[in-house]
Amino acid sequence: ETGVTQTPRHLVMGMTNKKSLKCEQHLGHNAMYWYKQSAKKPLELMFVYSLEERVENNSVPSRFSPECPNSSHLFLHLHTLQPEDSALYLCASSPTVQQGNQPQHFGDGTRLSIL
Amino acid sequence: AQSVSQHNHHVILSEAASLELGCNYSYGGTVNLFWYVQYPGQHLQLLLKYFSGDPLVKGIKGFEAEFIKSKFSFNLRKPSVQWSDTAEYFCAVKTPFILTGGGNKLTFGTGTQLKVEL
Repeated sequence: ETGVTQTPRHLVMGMTNKKSLKCEQHLGHNAMYWYKQSAKKPLELMFVYSLEERVENNSVPSRFSPECPNSSHLFLHLHTLQPEDSALYLCASSPTVQQGNQPQHFGDGTRLSIL
Repeated sequence: AQSVSQHNHHVILSEAASLELGCNYSYGGTVNLFWYVQYPGQHLQLLLKYFSGDPLVKGIKGFEAEFIKSKFSFNLRKPSVQWSDTAEYFCAVKTPFILTGGGNKLTFGTGTQLKVEL
């Protein structure tokens, strides 16, 4: 139990579907992150939120749309995805984005498969 | 752009063998360094971290890592591995955000899959 909960654990969707990934952290952290983990590639940082404000967007296609309604919840809205978007999507949180010595706490991830 | 290199993608060792996993990064400024481990079917967990002080860092489960600034390296070591150490190991470096110039983001290496055989 990491204090970061992601749902669903697995998601299979067609390219025309719309779905959302959810992340909730119970650690009182102010920063939340979305990562993409593909086979044989480094974890790719997608989005960073600090106190519900997006502070980083790493050239992610617009078919991925993040939402952070409060500091405990983070969503990733998915729309018209491509097969290459199939991956493990990881959510993480940390106390702040500023302190370099603070580790990030990761959820178990959502395994996404695009048909 | 910052990058993190893990040179060994797959490592197979026998129990009690010594382990060293390489990690090099490219950022020339002040960095904070991490090793994360992901056991089969589990989430990423912090193994150890370095942010200042003694460059030899002790972590959980007998792991240690040495920060060598001149070599831009942060190699992970364990004197004697166990079967339960079978996992994927990720090196990560914290560097400033590109967009804002402040704050810190984690850049990960591609990971090293370690298999320990009995």
